[in-house]
Amino acid sequence: DAGVIQSPRHEVTEMGQEVTLRCKPISGHDYLFWYRQTMMRGLELLIYFNNNVPIDDSGMPEDRFSAKMPNASFSTLKIQPSEPRDSAVYFCASSLQSGIGERWGYTFGSGTRLTVV
Amino acid sequence: SQQGEEDPQALSIQEGENATMNCSYKTSINNLQWYRQNSGRGLVHLILIRSNEREKHSGRLRVTLDTSKKSSSLLITASRAADTASYFCATLLLNFGNEKLTFGTGTRLTIIP
Repeated sequence: DAGVIQSPRHEVTEMGQEVTLRCKPISGHDYLFWYRQTMMRGLELLIYFNNNVPIDDSGMPEDRFSAKMPNASFSTLKIQPSEPRDSAVYFCASSLQSGIGERWGYTFGSGTRLTVV
Repeated sequence: SQQGEEDPQALSIQEGENATMNCSYKTSINNLQWYRQNSGRGLVHLILIRSNEREKHSGRLRVTLDTSKKSSSLLITASRAADTASYFCATLLLNFGNEKLTFGTGTRLTIIP
């Protein structure tokens, strides 16, 4: 199992440009999560999907952020237009639901380090 | 917003010693999880303890949970240089079909060979 795969690993872009981050969850996992990690705010949940449907996007900071999951094996997080304060490490994670309805531990990807200059 | 506060923020110990990290949280939870993050990498799930459990073991890891005090501790016994990493507690709350896994601020653990 290759785990959760994120691309690119690093992204440097100029302010105002569109940025697209990609994630391939573990096959069979029915939940997918996008987190952002910064020194100031730690790890923040941005949005999560259940069976490709967005369930909670209350953590998405602004309308400049959007996420999609067109199928069970692929998700994108898009920032348009990007700003320097969006610089962070963005993580994707996936998980299974346990038999009693609770979530097993999440499996995280290696992250995308985004720098907006 | 961060649910958990971890203590200490940083910890340095000699290899072979035990390391204890504490986590406090604010709301009711369904379970509490601990994760490890090596520098520049993603988080790795270590152990999960449910709200009706008080203690759990996994290899060299021991986790306790006190829901009355809203606190948890992670003990790593016989530490190794490879245990050097940041450790995060995370609380899961299920609420009417919605869920939220909220991470604490983390403890940076350094094992001195």
